[in-house]
Amino acid sequence: ETGVTQTPRHLVMGMTNKKSLKCEQHLGHNAMYWYKQSAKKPLELMFVYNFKEQTENNSVPSRFSPECPNSSHLFLHLHTLQPEDSALYLCASSQIKGAGGNTIYFGEGSWLTVV
Amino acid sequence: GQNIDQPTEMTATEGAIVQINCTYQTSGFNGLFWYQQHAGEAPTFLSYNVLDGLEEKGRFSSFLSRSKGYSYLLLKELQMKDSASYLCAVKDSNYQLIWGAGTKLIIKP
Repeated sequence: ETGVTQTPRHLVMGMTNKKSLKCEQHLGHNAMYWYKQSAKKPLELMFVYNFKEQTENNSVPSRFSPECPNSSHLFLHLHTLQPEDSALYLCASSQIKGAGGNTIYFGEGSWLTVV
Repeated sequence: GQNIDQPTEMTATEGAIVQINCTYQTSGFNGLFWYQQHAGEAPTFLSYNVLDGLEEKGRFSSFLSRSKGYSYLLLKELQMKDSASYLCAVKDSNYQLIWGAGTKLIIKP
């Protein structure tokens, strides 16, 4: 139980499918993040939301579309993905985006396989 | 560019001590984090260093030298459950977290 829950835990989708990943945090935080984790590579920050406003989009292809309806929920909408997008997608939250030692708390991730 | 280096994999024996090193080159420094990630699970926070020196927390300790751009995570009295990946991350001058690729630690009986 990490305080950040993600669904689904596993997803297999075709390149023409549309699917969504969901994240919910129960920690009262005001910043939420999407990360991509590929084998033997550093975590890649995809999107950041502060108080529901998107503050960063790290050159992520438009086939990934985030949505943050409130400070507790975050979605990642997936459309026409490529096989190289197969990875573990981690949602995270923290109290504020930037300063000091504000710890980021992660969900257990959604394993995505694109076939 | 910004870079975090840590060994890809290490092996140690149950009951022993292991030190996982992390070196960084970043634009500014606002703290260094260590996370533990068991296979198939979420990364979980272990430690945070912003000043030079050693921070001890039970069997785990983390050391920082800002002048050398260097940190290590020290694990004592290793247990089988310590088998995991250990991620080093640095907050740069823009408070962005820069991540290393992680060190996979294998504990043998």
